[in-house]
Amino acid sequence: QSALSQPPSASGSPGQSVTISCTGTSNDVGGYRFISWYQQHPGKAPKLIIFEVTKRPSGVPDRFSGSKSGSTASLTVSGLQAEDEADYYCTSYAGGDIWVFGGGTKLTVL
Amino acid sequence: QVQLVESGGGMVQPGGSLRLSCAASGFPFDFYGMHWVRQVPGKGLEWVAVIWSDGIKTTSADSVKGRFTVSRDNSKKTVFLQMNSLRVEDTAVYYCARDRLSEFQVTQAAFDVWGQGTMVTVSA
Repeated sequence: QSALSQPPSASGSPGQSVTISCTGTSNDVGGYRFISWYQQHPGKAPKLIIFEVTKRPSGVPDRFSGSKSGSTASLTVSGLQAEDEADYYCTSYAGGDIWVFGGGTKLTVL
Repeated sequence: QVQLVESGGGMVQPGGSLRLSCAASGFPFDFYGMHWVRQVPGKGLEWVAVIWSDGIKTTSADSVKGRFTVSRDNSKKTVFLQMNSLRVEDTAVYYCARDRLSEFQVTQAAFDVWGQGTMVTVSA
């Protein structure tokens, strides 16, 4: 149950796009489509923004998109806005009713 | 509205026990799997455990296996996390979260509703 690997930080200017990677193995990210992403603002609970690799819950702007290639999943935030500044976490189902999180990425809007 | 409210956190000495509760409202609780996720302040998220809708099938992370037990009372729309043999490294905010279901009531293996969290501090 090793954590997924995310870059500790990412940044972009308003209006730009930024992509955050999430690297696992064939036992988690590479083996399942159950990849989800969460946004967490300071002092708040996480919020689901992407599930099943590419799907967005109702109410999540289409500026947020997800993808996967092999054992690496990615979250892209397009048209960066100030309110996108937050911590972002990926998670993957790892079989046997086990989930594993990434270490988190702090996104800064410059 | 759809809501999860955790309670039961507090300070306990190493080796002690605590029981967390998570009260659900606004959705048909007995259809949904429920997870516990924890977060050391200033650090990342860690999945802890899941209990499925039948209340029978449960799984927990290796880091808590044999010490933490998840259970639920569907009549009270509440899920519990019994934490025994607590260690300093169990200090964290504990969140309960709902397992997302598709329109066909199939798990989508994501956490779509979260509580506000309850703080557990293990310290001598």
